[in-house]
Amino acid sequence: AQSVAQPEDQVNVAEGNPLTVKCTYSVSGNPYLFWYVQYPNRGLQFLLKYITGDNLVKGSYGFEAEFNKSQTSFHLKKPSALVSDSALYFCAVRERSGGATNKLIFGTGTLLAVQP
Amino acid sequence: DTAVSQTPKYLVTQMGNDKSIKCEQNLGHDTMYWYKQDSKKFLKIMFSYNNKELIINETVPNRFSPKSPDKAHLNLHINSLELGDSAVYFCASSSSGGSYEQYFGPGTRLTVT
Repeated sequence: AQSVAQPEDQVNVAEGNPLTVKCTYSVSGNPYLFWYVQYPNRGLQFLLKYITGDNLVKGSYGFEAEFNKSQTSFHLKKPSALVSDSALYFCAVRERSGGATNKLIFGTGTLLAVQP
Repeated sequence: DTAVSQTPKYLVTQMGNDKSIKCEQNLGHDTMYWYKQDSKKFLKIMFSYNNKELIINETVPNRFSPKSPDKAHLNLHINSLELGDSAVYFCASSSSGGSYEQYFGPGTRLTVT
């Protein structure tokens, strides 16, 4: 069964410092991977995805993620954190069941806290 | 313009009641979803419709019944509400044309007392 793991419940970083939010996956075959962000009392917003191609994927708000097949990881990164980046971040993988189903399996979420 | 909208935003009701949540998307997508986010923020898919056809039906009590009158709308009706149904319910949509990412609504916070 496909799954993603987010090993950190919370990540603390000072404003201006680089940030990394970790995600590892377990799938058979090539994974379709996604990052979403959820601000308090809001829905999830799509940040970026990896389907195929370049291992470094750029997304919204200056975020990027690196797909590493050998380490089965898809870590989210940003060179310089902002206080406004503080939110709950979810990694997700598309379940490979074929057909029209587009089932996403989400990780447990990582709370990013950026201190001023 | 709101891409995926849900009504109501908040719903407070008593055990045993029946309630509905509505979702609409104006993105031209052909696939819509219902997710449940529990108090620990864990997200789990409940249902998915593609072109009004139910294609994902997870292990959900049959008190929950989705309905899709057309590709742009997906409603969720819940009968005989229980305390454990308290959660945030998110609607989402995507295109089956191959982009795969899903776009989420703002959520409906359901509180059952």
